[in-house]
Amino acid sequence: DSGVTQTPKHLITATGQRVTLRCSPRSGDLSVYWYQQSLDQGLQFLIQYYNGEERAKGNILERFSAQQFPDLHSELNLSSLELGDSALYFCASSPGGSGSTDTQYFGPGTRLTVL
Amino acid sequence: DAKTTQPNSMESNEEEPVHLPCNHSTISGTDYIHWYRQLPSQGPEYVIHGLTSNVNNRMASLAIAEDRKSSTLILHRATLRDAAVYYCILYWGYGQNFVFGPGTRLSVLP
Repeated sequence: DSGVTQTPKHLITATGQRVTLRCSPRSGDLSVYWYQQSLDQGLQFLIQYYNGEERAKGNILERFSAQQFPDLHSELNLSSLELGDSALYFCASSPGGSGSTDTQYFGPGTRLTVL
Repeated sequence: DAKTTQPNSMESNEEEPVHLPCNHSTISGTDYIHWYRQLPSQGPEYVIHGLTSNVNNRMASLAIAEDRKSSTLILHRATLRDAAVYYCILYWGYGQNFVFGPGTRLSVLP
């Protein structure tokens, strides 16, 4: 158990809909990262927040947005969903905001299915 | 794109050592070498990281070539639980530099 929790575990929805994925980091960790894992793209970095502020951005679509709240939990919002958004979404947390030695701890993931 | 090259798959027998190679010929001086693994139906899990010197922890050892253009993750006695995809990642700075490649799928035979 990494100490990172994600809810829900599974989500099934229809195209065009909007969903929110939630992540609670390990106690004391200030950074939260979001990743998408699909069969054809592998694990892709989406976005990083550090202590409430956006720190780094990856291949995140404009239809997707995220935020980190004062209690450090984070939410990833996916809107106008398409079939291709079906994937596993992982959240990770780390103690720091940057640095080459910062270890990321991953949650169990949320499996999103768009029908 | 990932800056590392790993074999797609490897096989090992249970209780034998496993050497997982990683090539990173374009590594820069500030890049740390990280290894993560992903067990079936789970999120990635940290294994080990290093810069220049070989590193050991309770899970594995990391051997880094003198020129840092390659490294090897060593599992001293493979167990069935070690069957996973192993990712070698070069990392410096912020999250967008943490790039997962396809990794090596390790199968452990009983």
